[in-house]
Amino acid sequence: AQSVTQLGSHVSVSEGALVLLRCNYSSSVPPYLFWYVQYPNQGLQLLLKYTTGATLVKGINGFEAEFKKSETSFHLTKPSAHMSDAAEYFCAVSEVNFGNEKLTFGTGTRLTIIP
Amino acid sequence: KAGVTQTPRYLIKTRGQQVTLSCSPISGHRSVSWYQQTPGQGLQFLFEYFSETQRNKGNFPGRFSGRQFSNSRSEMNVSTLELGDSALYLCASSSGTGEEQYFGPGTRLTVT
Repeated sequence: AQSVTQLGSHVSVSEGALVLLRCNYSSSVPPYLFWYVQYPNQGLQLLLKYTTGATLVKGINGFEAEFKKSETSFHLTKPSAHMSDAAEYFCAVSEVNFGNEKLTFGTGTRLTIIP
Repeated sequence: KAGVTQTPRYLIKTRGQQVTLSCSPISGHRSVSWYQQTPGQGLQFLFEYFSETQRNKGNFPGRFSGRQFSNSRSEMNVSTLELGDSALYLCASSSGTGEEQYFGPGTRLTVT
């Protein structure tokens, strides 16, 4: 069974500071990994994904994440926070298997940006 | 391309009633998945349909069911509503290869 742990349900950073949101996963098979963002009263928007290849992946809005197999981690970073980054962020994992669309999500991290 | 659309966006029902939610995927996508989002349980997978067949199912009671039509549009039905069914129901569409899913805005269901 797969699982995702997001450390810190709430994270606050100052505008312009580094954003680091942590995600660790557990999977018995090589996973696909995703970060989604959710703004109030909206659905989920894909920020970035890791499937195969380069372990450092870049996404939208200046975010990036690094897949570290040895640490079973996929932490999300952004060098300089912007007020518009305030939202809830979800890390998710799925099995590398055609025909398996099931995403297992972490509990989410609410990011607050301090002006 | 138009995104994933869900109707209705908001719904208020009474305990014991049933409800049907609709999802139209991105054109060309054959897979539709449904998720329930609640403050207590977070995001949980309900089921996935691919080419009109249920391909995966989560751990929800039989009161939750779904179907997919030949044009890939999907509906989910919840019968005998309970207060605990109050949630945001999200639909996601994908090509079916296991890579990224695109989510709709959700249907907010309130059961009173």
